[in-house]
Amino acid sequence: DIQMTQSPSTLSASVGDRVTITCRASQSISTWLAWYQQKPGKAPNLLIYKASGLQSGVPSGFSGSGSGTEFTLTISSLQPDDFATYYCLQYNSYPFTFGPGTKVDFK
Amino acid sequence: EVHLLESGGGLVQPGGSLRLFCAASEFTFSNYAMGWVRQAPGKGLEWVSAINDVGDDSFYADSVKGRFTISRDNSKNTLYLQMNSLRAEDTAVYYCAKGRRESGPYSYIESWGQGTLVTVSS
Repeated sequence: DIQMTQSPSTLSASVGDRVTITCRASQSISTWLAWYQQKPGKAPNLLIYKASGLQSGVPSGFSGSGSGTEFTLTISSLQPDDFATYYCLQYNSYPFTFGPGTKVDFK
Repeated sequence: EVHLLESGGGLVQPGGSLRLFCAASEFTFSNYAMGWVRQAPGKGLEWVSAINDVGDDSFYADSVKGRFTISRDNSKNTLYLQMNSLRAEDTAVYYCAKGRRESGPYSYIESWGQGTLVTVSS
């Protein structure tokens, strides 16, 4: 099975900051990676698919990059609505696996 | 807008069984792979199971293989998860998920239901 790691586990930031979250896979997954945002008590929401594809309706301040085993999610200018937990998901092969999550909170 | 409504959660004793349902609407259910993802209280997301669009191929996490069975009825726009031999560690919110395949062999999760809570406790 493919293992996913994320760093950092917690990120303290301020409104307007540029934020970068890293996701690593234990073996190459090409670009079969998605990113999700989850707020407390809510279902996750798709942000990015195929490593860099921006989901319809997601603000352009979100971007994804990477291939193979290393991927990044970048928020260009953190907004108040962006404080949440972010997860990556590999869908290169079954069983699919999520990263452990990165919580973005107020500095 | 895609609508996924889970039901069937509740309190069950260890070793017991439960069947989850996901009623889908506002999209052509039979065209999409579907799946289940769970989240234990205060923990991260765990992928559980997926099934292809026609229902003849299914996949499972190692943690539930042999105990859980995913199925679908395309005539009823409904996804199921039969959960047997339940354990305390199966306690979680279970989300129904709709897949989307832009390219490549498999679908990513595009849409989620609001979840149904399963509690395994004596």
